[in-house]
Amino acid sequence: QKEVEQNSGPLSVPEGAIASLNCTYSDRVSQSFFWYRQYSGKSPELIMSIYSNGDKEDGRFTAQLNKASQYVSLLIRDSQPSDSATYLCAVKSGTSYGKLTFGQGTILTVHP
Amino acid sequence: EAGVAQSPRYKIIEKRQSVAFWCNPISGHATLYWYQQILGQGPKLLIQFQNNGVVDDSQLPKDRFSAERLKGVDSTLKIQPAKLEDSAVYLCASSFLLTSGITTYNEQFFGPGTRLTVL
Repeated sequence: QKEVEQNSGPLSVPEGAIASLNCTYSDRVSQSFFWYRQYSGKSPELIMSIYSNGDKEDGRFTAQLNKASQYVSLLIRDSQPSDSATYLCAVKSGTSYGKLTFGQGTILTVHP
Repeated sequence: EAGVAQSPRYKIIEKRQSVAFWCNPISGHATLYWYQQILGQGPKLLIQFQNNGVVDDSQLPKDRFSAERLKGVDSTLKIQPAKLEDSAVYLCASSFLLTSGITTYNEQFFGPGTRLTVL
């Protein structure tokens, strides 16, 4: 089992729809969870971090964390063509200096 | 606030040659990371520094890769000799650690990366 696994893509949604990206992780003591957006040929850009169970909203983005199910998701409301990118889920282990483990990424395409 | 700086942005070398990458983290960030990202995959941590000490190098191929962060600021990553499978983007990231209660906040910010092609 991969340490961090994301739903296989690519994911295609129409403009204005909700895009749902999912991620599961295997390390039960993981404490911190991140979503990065990566445009083609660019480096990852942090868009959301979540540290406790529940929802966290930032503009059109909502991150959801369920530690009991070892599941984290990212919802993008009112999707725009500019949201088309690869979305990377990253999980940090429980230690203070714990490394960040990334999923393989999900390619999202928002079509007009 | 200036971001993470990296150079060069692109490098093409032949196998068995050596190459070095440079990274300057965000000012005040004590933690510095080097990642390798192969096309179609997520970044993989190679080495993590806290100030000028190594805290994780478990995935660094030490027979050919080396890294240093002598004064706790800039860092260099070297590959010698390079292999074809080292073709990838090498990303540097930095972060600060902030602990509040039982939660440690550790948001990492990436530089633009160096795209390495080994022929």
